[in-house]
Amino acid sequence: KAGVTQTPRYLIKTRGQQVTLSCSPISGHRSVSWYQQTPGQGLQFLFEYFSETQRNKGNFPGRFSGRQFSNSRSEMNVSTLELGDSALYLCASTATDYTDTQYFGPGTRLTVL
Amino acid sequence: ELKVEQNPLFLSMQEGKNYTIYCNYSTTSDRLYWYRQDPGKSLESLFVLLSNGAVKQEGRLMASLDTKARLSTLHITAAVHDLSATYFCAVDGINAGNMLTFGGGTRLMVKP
Repeated sequence: KAGVTQTPRYLIKTRGQQVTLSCSPISGHRSVSWYQQTPGQGLQFLFEYFSETQRNKGNFPGRFSGRQFSNSRSEMNVSTLELGDSALYLCASTATDYTDTQYFGPGTRLTVL
Repeated sequence: ELKVEQNPLFLSMQEGKNYTIYCNYSTTSDRLYWYRQDPGKSLESLFVLLSNGAVKQEGRLMASLDTKARLSTLHITAAVHDLSATYFCAVDGINAGNMLTFGGGTRLMVKP
């Protein structure tokens, strides 16, 4: 089975711009979660989508948003970028067995200048 | 609010030695996960622990869970250089869906 894929892998933006990141889950997985990883704050949950609905949301400002399509692919958007948004953004899809293990994609490294 | 703490944050050890990483969490949890992250890479799933007393082993790594103490341990036996990585525990709180709360990570360096 192919793993979780994320595009693009690297992105450089300037303050004030917006960015859209994409995630394709493992085939058959319907839940997609997004996490932000920074050296200072570690790994933090952004939001989770299941069947095109946001099911959980972390403690991030409204500039961070997401959506999920009918094929379970997900996008997250960050508007009005700030320097502090520089991070590795990880997408995970959740196994459909009893373990609910989340399998992570390779991440998108976002640098805001 | 669920909090997850790992210690130590950094661990330098010699090949062949044993050591344990600890993961404490603050509230009742459904599940506890261990992940490995190599530098510049994503997270690789190692173990999922679902119930009190659960023990999982893979190669030189063994994870256990004590839900009463809200403690999980990741024990490394006879470390080898290939185990050098950052290890994270993550907890899935009760009724939290798939929202994982991660510990701060333990950076493990195994020296030859």
